[in-house]
Amino acid sequence: DQQVKQNSPSLSVQEGRISILNCDYTNSMFDYFLWYKKYPAEGPTFLISISSIKDKNEDGRFTVFLNKSAKHLSLHIVPSQPGDSAVYFCAASADSYGQNFVFGPGTRLSVLP
Amino acid sequence: KAGVTQTPRYLIKTRGQQVTLSCSPISGHRSVSWYQQTPGQGLQFLFEYFSETQRNKGNFPGRFSGRQFSNSRSEMNVSTLELGDSALYLCATSMGGLNYGYTFGSGTRLTVV
Repeated sequence: DQQVKQNSPSLSVQEGRISILNCDYTNSMFDYFLWYKKYPAEGPTFLISISSIKDKNEDGRFTVFLNKSAKHLSLHIVPSQPGDSAVYFCAASADSYGQNFVFGPGTRLSVLP
Repeated sequence: KAGVTQTPRYLIKTRGQQVTLSCSPISGHRSVSWYQQTPGQGLQFLFEYFSETQRNKGNFPGRFSGRQFSNSRSEMNVSTLELGDSALYLCATSMGGLNYGYTFGSGTRLTVV
Protein backbone atom coordinates (compact mmCIF):
# COMPACT_ATOMS: atom_id res chain seq x y z
CA ASP A 1 0.00 0.00 0.00
CA GLN A 2 1.58 3.25 -1.13
CA GLN A 3 1.76 5.81 1.64
CA VAL A 4 2.74 8.60 -0.75
CA LYS A 5 0.96 8.84 -4.08
CA GLN A 6 1.54 10.91 -7.15
CA ASN A 7 -1.37 9.95 -9.31
CA SER A 8 -0.20 11.66 -12.48
CA PRO A 9 2.70 9.73 -14.01
CA SER A 10 3.28 12.53 -16.48
CA LEU A 11 2.36 16.15 -17.15
CA SER A 12 2.97 18.42 -20.14
CA VAL A 13 2.90 22.19 -19.83
CA GLN A 14 3.65 25.04 -22.21
CA GLU A 15 6.68 27.18 -21.44
CA GLY A 16 5.74 30.24 -19.38
CA ARG A 17 2.61 28.64 -17.94
CA ILE A 18 2.11 27.21 -14.46
CA SER A 19 3.01 23.60 -13.65
CA ILE A 20 1.10 22.01 -10.78
CA LEU A 21 2.34 18.69 -9.44
CA ASN A 22 0.20 16.92 -6.89
CA CYS A 23 0.99 14.52 -4.08
CA ASP A 24 -1.31 12.71 -1.65
CA TYR A 25 -0.38 10.77 1.46
CA THR A 26 -2.20 8.41 3.75
CA ASN A 27 -0.15 8.46 6.95
CA SER A 28 -1.39 11.23 9.25
CA MET A 29 1.88 11.01 11.20
CA PHE A 30 3.83 12.55 8.31
CA ASP A 31 4.77 16.07 9.25
CA TYR A 32 7.66 16.95 7.02
CA PHE A 33 7.64 16.96 3.23
CA LEU A 34 10.20 17.48 0.52
CA TRP A 35 10.12 17.85 -3.25
CA TYR A 36 12.95 16.61 -5.43
CA LYS A 37 13.55 16.69 -9.14
CA LYS A 38 15.56 14.14 -11.03
CA TYR A 39 17.20 14.31 -14.44
CA PRO A 40 18.17 11.08 -16.22
CA ALA A 41 21.45 9.55 -15.03
CA GLU A 42 21.64 11.94 -12.07
CA GLY A 43 20.63 11.66 -8.44
CA PRO A 44 17.56 13.57 -7.21
CA THR A 45 18.09 17.25 -6.42
CA PHE A 46 16.43 18.85 -3.42
CA LEU A 47 13.97 21.59 -4.41
CA ILE A 48 11.88 22.76 -1.50
CA SER A 49 10.54 21.56 1.84
CA ILE A 50 7.57 22.24 4.07
CA SER A 51 6.73 21.24 7.61
CA SER A 52 3.27 20.63 8.96
CA ILE A 53 3.21 23.88 10.90
CA LYS A 54 3.01 25.77 7.61
CA ASP A 55 0.62 25.62 4.70
CA LYS A 56 2.83 27.33 2.15
CA ASN A 57 6.51 27.72 1.41
CA GLU A 58 7.95 29.71 -1.46
CA ASP A 59 11.38 29.73 -3.07
CA GLY A 60 11.70 31.68 -6.29
CA ARG A 61 9.58 30.07 -8.99
CA PHE A 62 8.70 27.14 -6.72
CA THR A 63 5.88 27.14 -4.18
CA VAL A 64 4.71 24.19 -2.15
CA PHE A 65 1.23 24.12 -0.61
CA LEU A 66 0.22 21.75 2.16
CA ASN A 67 -3.36 20.86 3.10
CA LYS A 68 -3.04 18.64 6.17
CA SER A 69 -6.74 17.93 6.54
CA ALA A 70 -6.85 16.64 2.97
CA LYS A 71 -3.42 14.98 3.27
CA HIS A 72 -2.45 16.70 0.06
CA LEU A 73 0.45 18.79 -1.09
CA SER A 74 1.23 20.40 -4.39
CA LEU A 75 4.22 21.99 -6.07
CA HIS A 76 3.64 25.01 -8.27
CA ILE A 77 6.26 26.13 -10.78
CA VAL A 78 5.68 29.58 -12.23
CA PRO A 79 6.68 30.32 -14.92
CA SER A 80 7.64 26.90 -16.23
CA GLN A 81 10.84 26.65 -18.24
CA PRO A 82 12.10 23.89 -20.57
CA GLY A 83 14.91 23.19 -18.09
CA ASP A 84 12.27 22.19 -15.55
CA SER A 85 11.56 19.06 -17.58
CA ALA A 86 12.42 16.22 -15.20
CA VAL A 87 10.83 13.67 -12.88
CA TYR A 88 9.51 15.22 -9.67
CA PHE A 89 9.24 13.23 -6.46
CA CYS A 90 7.48 14.21 -3.29
CA ALA A 91 8.68 12.65 -0.06
CA ALA A 92 7.26 12.54 3.45
CA SER A 93 8.69 11.73 6.85
CA ALA A 94 7.24 11.15 10.30
CA ASP A 95 10.35 10.69 12.39
CA SER A 96 11.91 13.41 14.46
CA TYR A 97 15.21 13.37 12.63
CA GLY A 98 13.48 13.84 9.30
CA GLN A 99 15.00 10.66 7.93
CA ASN A 100 13.29 7.59 6.62
CA PHE A 101 11.53 9.52 3.90
CA VAL A 102 8.83 7.74 1.96
CA PHE A 103 8.92 8.77 -1.67
CA GLY A 104 6.11 8.93 -4.16
CA PRO A 105 6.50 7.22 -7.55
CA GLY A 106 7.25 10.49 -9.31
CA THR A 107 5.64 12.64 -12.01
CA ARG A 108 7.45 13.28 -15.27
CA LEU A 109 7.08 16.94 -16.22
CA SER A 110 7.65 18.03 -19.81
CA VAL A 111 7.77 21.75 -20.45
CA LEU A 112 7.21 22.43 -24.14
CA PRO A 113 8.90 25.42 -25.79
CA LYS B 1 32.81 21.89 -3.31
CA ALA B 2 32.71 18.22 -4.25
CA GLY B 3 29.31 16.57 -4.33
CA VAL B 4 28.25 13.18 -3.05
CA THR B 5 30.40 10.51 -4.69
CA GLN B 6 29.14 7.02 -5.26
CA THR B 7 31.29 4.22 -6.61
CA PRO B 8 31.14 2.29 -8.77
CA ARG B 9 28.68 3.85 -11.23
CA TYR B 10 27.77 0.55 -12.82
CA LEU B 11 28.05 -3.02 -11.63
CA ILE B 12 27.02 -6.38 -13.04
CA LYS B 13 26.86 -9.35 -10.70
CA THR B 14 25.45 -12.87 -10.86
CA ARG B 15 22.83 -14.32 -8.57
CA GLY B 16 24.21 -15.51 -5.27
CA GLN B 17 27.16 -13.14 -5.25
CA GLN B 18 27.60 -10.29 -2.85
CA VAL B 19 28.32 -6.63 -3.61
CA THR B 20 29.62 -3.59 -1.76
CA LEU B 21 28.73 -0.06 -2.78
CA SER B 22 30.43 3.07 -1.51
CA CYS B 23 29.24 6.59 -0.75
CA SER B 24 31.45 9.54 0.14
CA PRO B 25 29.42 12.45 1.51
CA ILE B 26 29.96 16.14 1.07
CA SER B 27 32.50 17.41 3.59
CA GLY B 28 30.72 18.18 6.85
CA HIS B 29 27.75 15.93 6.14
CA ARG B 30 27.50 13.32 8.88
CA SER B 31 24.22 11.70 7.92
CA VAL B 32 24.18 9.18 5.08
CA SER B 33 20.99 7.49 3.88
CA TRP B 34 20.67 4.77 1.28
CA TYR B 35 17.77 4.34 -1.14
CA GLN B 36 16.85 1.78 -3.76
CA GLN B 37 15.16 3.02 -6.90
CA THR B 38 13.28 0.65 -9.19
CA PRO B 39 10.77 1.49 -11.94
CA GLY B 40 7.93 -0.27 -10.17
CA GLN B 41 8.57 0.76 -6.56
CA GLY B 42 10.12 4.19 -6.91
CA LEU B 43 12.55 5.33 -4.23
CA GLN B 44 12.59 3.16 -1.13
CA PHE B 45 14.49 3.90 2.05
CA LEU B 46 17.06 1.30 3.08
CA PHE B 47 18.81 2.75 6.12
CA GLU B 48 20.47 5.83 7.55
CA TYR B 49 23.75 6.23 9.38
CA PHE B 50 24.87 9.06 11.60
CA SER B 51 28.16 9.16 13.46
CA GLU B 52 28.90 5.53 12.57
CA THR B 53 25.58 4.32 14.01
CA GLN B 54 22.56 3.05 12.15
CA ARG B 55 19.83 5.42 13.21
CA ASN B 56 16.95 4.32 10.98
CA LYS B 57 16.13 1.26 8.94
CA GLY B 58 13.60 0.59 6.22
CA ASN B 59 11.80 -2.64 5.41
CA PHE B 60 14.46 -4.57 3.58
CA PRO B 61 15.71 -8.09 4.36
CA GLY B 62 18.85 -8.70 6.37
CA ARG B 63 20.79 -9.35 3.16
CA PHE B 64 21.03 -5.57 2.93
CA SER B 65 23.44 -4.08 5.42
CA GLY B 66 25.60 -1.05 5.77
CA ARG B 67 28.17 0.70 7.83
CA GLN B 68 29.69 4.13 8.28
CA PHE B 69 33.28 5.00 8.96
CA SER B 70 34.72 7.72 11.16
CA ASN B 71 35.20 9.97 8.11
CA SER B 72 31.43 9.63 7.40
CA ARG B 73 31.98 7.55 4.28
CA SER B 74 29.45 4.77 4.10
CA GLU B 75 29.29 1.36 2.46
CA MET B 76 26.28 -0.73 1.63
CA ASN B 77 26.52 -4.47 1.24
CA VAL B 78 24.05 -6.86 -0.37
CA SER B 79 24.69 -10.56 0.07
CA THR B 80 23.23 -13.51 -1.83
CA LEU B 81 22.10 -11.30 -4.69
CA GLU B 82 18.74 -11.94 -6.31
CA LEU B 83 17.52 -10.82 -9.73
CA GLY B 84 15.09 -8.44 -8.01
CA ASP B 85 17.99 -6.56 -6.44
CA SER B 86 18.72 -5.00 -9.82
CA ALA B 87 18.16 -1.30 -9.23
CA LEU B 88 19.72 2.11 -8.93
CA TYR B 89 21.13 2.55 -5.43
CA LEU B 90 21.31 6.13 -4.27
CA CYS B 91 22.87 7.61 -1.20
CA ALA B 92 21.80 10.94 0.24
CA THR B 93 23.79 12.97 2.70
CA SER B 94 22.86 15.79 4.99
CA MET B 95 24.26 18.16 7.55
CA GLY B 96 21.36 17.10 9.71
CA GLY B 97 19.08 20.11 9.60
CA LEU B 98 15.74 19.43 7.99
CA ASN B 99 15.70 22.72 6.14
CA TYR B 100 18.69 21.73 4.03
CA GLY B 101 17.15 18.68 2.49
CA TYR B 102 19.48 16.00 1.34
CA THR B 103 22.03 15.89 -1.41
CA PHE B 104 21.95 12.78 -3.51
CA GLY B 105 24.77 11.12 -5.35
CA SER B 106 24.36 9.96 -8.95
CA GLY B 107 23.86 6.39 -7.82
CA THR B 108 25.22 2.95 -8.56
CA ARG B 109 23.35 0.98 -11.20
CA LEU B 110 23.43 -2.67 -10.13
CA THR B 111 22.39 -5.36 -12.55
CA VAL B 112 22.03 -8.91 -11.31
CA VAL B 113 22.04 -11.60 -14.00
